Amino acid sequence: GENVEQHPSTLSVQEGDSAVIKCTYSDSASNYFPWYKQELGKRPQLIIDIRSNVGEKKDQRIAVTLNKTAKHFSLHITETQPEDSAVYFCAASIPPDSNYQLIWGAGTKLIIKP
Amino acid sequence: DAGVTQSPTHLIKTRGQQVTLRCSPKSGHDTVSWYQQALGQGPQFIFQYYEEEERQRGNFPDRFSGHQFPNYSSELNVNALLLGDSALYLCASSSAEGPTDTQYFGPGTRLTVL
Repeated sequence: GENVEQHPSTLSVQEGDSAVIKCTYSDSASNYFPWYKQELGKRPQLIIDIRSNVGEKKDQRIAVTLNKTAKHFSLHITETQPEDSAVYFCAASIPPDSNYQLIWGAGTKLIIKP
Repeated sequence: DAGVTQSPTHLIKTRGQQVTLRCSPKSGHDTVSWYQQALGQGPQFIFQYYEEEERQRGNFPDRFSGHQFPNYSSELNVNALLLGDSALYLCASSSAEGPTDTQYFGPGTRLTVL
């Protein structure tokens, strides 16, 4: 079945610098890849997602890239701010059902140093 | 526009007991997925309900069961509780008519089994 690996488990960056989190997936038929941000004690919040028919998507300081050949996708956060500190999860869908089950990575704890 | 709601917020039970958790989906959504999130880990898919039926199921024992009502709200039932069932239980809703794989999460129910 689908397996999603996420790296690194912890990432510490200086405020204002960029952060990159990477995920790989195993099922080449997966075609939906969301990223969620979870602050301590709160619900996961969808921050950006990408479908397999595009290679890159950007929303202000956040971007996601997808390489279907290599089966990996990455989250890029530019000009990091203290409020970006949280745990970030990537996920991949399990096709072929019309409403997909998501398989999640183990999470990356992002720490923004002032 | 109401988001996804869950009740109760916190729950303490003892081993062997049974528990029922509740979820109301986001307005306009008809599909509910349940996840278990252990401390420091990513969410694990339990099952998904659509049109009052269980449509997909993850790798969870039969002690975990659910129900969806005509108004799309859902319940998660766990029987014969084990210490290992202690976790944050998240409900996510989505729409079969929209981007069906975009899931929005409720605040979760924190279950502690003593």
